[in-house]
Amino acid sequence: DAGVIQSPRHEVTEMGQEVTLRCKPISGHDYLFWYRQTMMRGLELLIYFNNNVPIDDSGMPEDRFSAKMPNASFSTLKIQPSEPRDSAVYFCASGFGYSPLHFGNGTRLTVT
Amino acid sequence: RKEVEQDPGPFNVPEGATVAFNCTYSNSASQSFFWYRQDCRKEPKLLMSVYSSGNEDGRFTAQLNRASQYISLLIRDSKLSDSATYLCVVNPGSARQLTFGSGTQLTVLP
Repeated sequence: DAGVIQSPRHEVTEMGQEVTLRCKPISGHDYLFWYRQTMMRGLELLIYFNNNVPIDDSGMPEDRFSAKMPNASFSTLKIQPSEPRDSAVYFCASGFGYSPLHFGNGTRLTVT
Repeated sequence: RKEVEQDPGPFNVPEGATVAFNCTYSNSASQSFFWYRQDCRKEPKLLMSVYSSGNEDGRFTAQLNRASQYISLLIRDSKLSDSATYLCVVNPGSARQLTFGSGTQLTVLP
């Protein structure tokens, strides 16, 4: 199994641009999570899905952030428009039932 | 009060030392507990689950005290390769999401 796959690994963009982060969970996992990590705030849960349905998006910072999971093997996190304070490492993680989560390598986003 | 609190460290210990980390959680209904390890610029990886009776995995021992709402991780005979940030993780209740502590940084010195 290839594990959770995220792309791109690095993204540098200018303020105001749209950013799309992608995630392929481990096959068979029914939960998918998007986390954001910064030095100041640590790991924060943004949103999670169960069987492709968003369950809790209370961690999404504001309307500029949106996430979708059109099928069991793909999810996107979109930021439009991006701002410098969105700079962080964004992790996608998947899990089955209540088993521990498996994280992807993360996308390091820099907004200038 | 944060849901999961950890001493951020850093802990700098010599090789072979024993080191312990503690973590407290605020939600008494929390169901499951884990320790994750995160290396610099890498993703978090599961180190071990924490069971009510306590559990051991080689040099690592995890303990849970539900009455006092804290979790501990003990590392014996520490190795240079143990240098990392250790994250305390709690499932706060019936929902599936995990809450991560801010991490404790460990550096094992030669």
